[in-house]
Amino acid sequence: EDQVTQSPEALRLQEGESSSLNCSYTVSGLRGLFWYRQDPGKGPEFLFTLYSAGEEKEKERLKATLTKKESFLHITAPKPEDSATYLCAVQVSGSGGSNYKLTFGKGTLLTVNP
Amino acid sequence: EPEVTQTPSHQVTQMGQEVILRCVPISNHLYFYWYRQILGQKVEFLVSFYNNEISEKSEIFDDQFSVERPDGSNFTLKIRSTKLEDSAMYFCASSESEGRPEAFFGQGTRLTVV
Repeated sequence: EDQVTQSPEALRLQEGESSSLNCSYTVSGLRGLFWYRQDPGKGPEFLFTLYSAGEEKEKERLKATLTKKESFLHITAPKPEDSATYLCAVQVSGSGGSNYKLTFGKGTLLTVNP
Repeated sequence: EPEVTQTPSHQVTQMGQEVILRCVPISNHLYFYWYRQILGQKVEFLVSFYNNEISEKSEIFDDQFSVERPDGSNFTLKIRSTKLEDSAMYFCASSESEGRPEAFFGQGTRLTVV
């Protein structure tokens, strides 16, 4: 069974204090790993797609990296507006050419205090 | 920027009643999905839809659920006889193609069964 585990469950940072969120996965074959941001009561907002080990993607203060077993979301000098739940999800290869379902982790609730 | 739109944003229904949740996916997208998120839990896959048919469904998606794309723009989820445990946020998502598999989510419909 495909599993996605995110840690920590919650993280509280001071503004400007950089840190990393972890997503470890166990899947039969990884097609892609996705990071989303979710604000309370809202739908997940797409951030990044990573396909192969060693790949990195950046957007503003966020950088996502991928190894064969895990992904990290690095947050550099965060601001209060970065406060949200960050979700990691995987797509598994071999599940059919017309299905790209996502299997999500529980997320990391990030709070950035001013 | 194109987005997935869902209506209504909140629906309250009596147990045993039928509900239809509506979605307008991004116009050039070919793959459509429904996910749900029970309060405090992870986002869970329900069903994927491509080329006017279901491509995969989860164990949650039993006979009380159905999906339809009645025209070229709408995508609906019907729950025939709602139960208390169906109370959740329901998210519609769409993705463009095999080469662009990232899913874009709507803002969700909060379904409350009383």
